[in-house]
Amino acid sequence: DVKVTQSSRYLVKRTGEKVFLECVQDMDHENMFWYRQDPGLGLRLIYFSYDVKMKEKGDIPEGYSVSREKKERFSLILESASTNQTSMYLCASSLIVFRRNTEAFFGQGTRLTVV
Amino acid sequence: DAKTTQPNSMESNEEEPVHLPCNHSTISGTDYIHWYRQLPSQGPEYVIHGLTSNVNNRMASLAIAEDRKSSTLILHRATLRDAAVYYCILRVGNYGGSQGNLIFGKGTKLSVKP
Repeated sequence: DVKVTQSSRYLVKRTGEKVFLECVQDMDHENMFWYRQDPGLGLRLIYFSYDVKMKEKGDIPEGYSVSREKKERFSLILESASTNQTSMYLCASSLIVFRRNTEAFFGQGTRLTVV
Repeated sequence: DAKTTQPNSMESNEEEPVHLPCNHSTISGTDYIHWYRQLPSQGPEYVIHGLTSNVNNRMASLAIAEDRKSSTLILHRATLRDAAVYYCILRVGNYGGSQGNLIFGKGTKLSVKP
């Protein structure tokens, strides 16, 4: 079974801290995604990576950066955490098969609280 | 990006079929129709996807209109565990680097009554 693992289920950080959210997938997927989910706003894409060192901004990249140095790992970085970044963060990955995008697999999420 | 339109919420009775509609009038020829669902306190999970023909799997069926401008996810016998938010998404079929993106809408919240 495909597994997408997020490093923490719950995280509490202080305003101004640099925060790293880690995501690892074990199935050699090319695509990886970071979303945040807030009540009433649904899932919003922060960043997307389609290969090692390749990234694209999603709908709400401001205040975030990402790193993909290895295929299996996609990190989301909050350069200086703020209270409005309190949210549920979800990581996902998907495979390319015969040049076609296939279904995505999601991690369980990290609930981040910035105080 | 091609967009989808879904009802905000729907209700169903347990053990009855559920038809969840999705409109995607701006769909292009290379877009696949994907459905995901999100159970409470969990990440989304893949349900089914298709291009032109109707599709069946162990979870659900997907009926696609002939003009591809709408589709319907069918749960044949709803259970309480099917209560979730269901998302209909268009996804570019042919890989082209940045075309692997995956954008969610607001989805349909399905409630199942015992």
